[in-house]
Amino acid sequence: GAVVSQHPSRVICKSGTSVKIECRSLDFQATTMFWYRQFPKQSLMLMATSNEGSKATYEQGVEKDKFLINHASLTLSTLTVTSAHPEDSSFYICSARPRTSGTYEQYFGPGTRLTVT
Amino acid sequence: AQSVTQLGSHVSVSEGALVLLRCNYSSSVPPYLFWYVQYPNQGLQLLLKYTSAATLVKGINGFEAEFKKSETSFHLTKPSAHMSDAAEYFCAVSEYSSASKIIFGSGTRLSIRP
Repeated sequence: GAVVSQHPSRVICKSGTSVKIECRSLDFQATTMFWYRQFPKQSLMLMATSNEGSKATYEQGVEKDKFLINHASLTLSTLTVTSAHPEDSSFYICSARPRTSGTYEQYFGPGTRLTVT
Repeated sequence: AQSVTQLGSHVSVSEGALVLLRCNYSSSVPPYLFWYVQYPNQGLQLLLKYTSAATLVKGINGFEAEFKKSETSFHLTKPSAHMSDAAEYFCAVSEYSSASKIIFGSGTRLSIRP
């Protein structure tokens, strides 16, 4: 149980275009989802916290107009990178907190590799 | 503010040797602590977690960690390393709150020598 999927696993897009990444909790409902980015050989940096039915909370330094987050249902959150540039190339990982668990429990997706050319 | 510091960005041990990955935390309230493992181009897998119960926590794949409040440490150990343990390991901290964000350390790459 407690499986989180991400789609796509890899995406290549041209500079200036937008790309959407989906994060789904497959066998549980998630009231909160988190989005992280990870540069090569670096740690995960929290970008934003997404609560179902409300606006996402962005970490300091993360452009909310560039990284649009939508959490429309208890099993789906999306991250849209708008007007992508090469410096947005990164590994994006989401996690989901089950609705019925303690506040500390999060389950991570397999990640999405974004390459902007 | 909560944070974790992982000492040593790269640790190399021989197969069969003891694995020790160091983690120190900073938190204004009793923390929840985690160790995650990441294999290349994959997401994170939870190895073990401390949530204020037993201070010695046993996880998957033979790993364990001990919470030491006096030292603000949560070091990860495994008695005998296996080649399949080669990966990136992240220590992480979370505080009990409505946000419950998990903050990750910088990571330690574990290499296993044959």
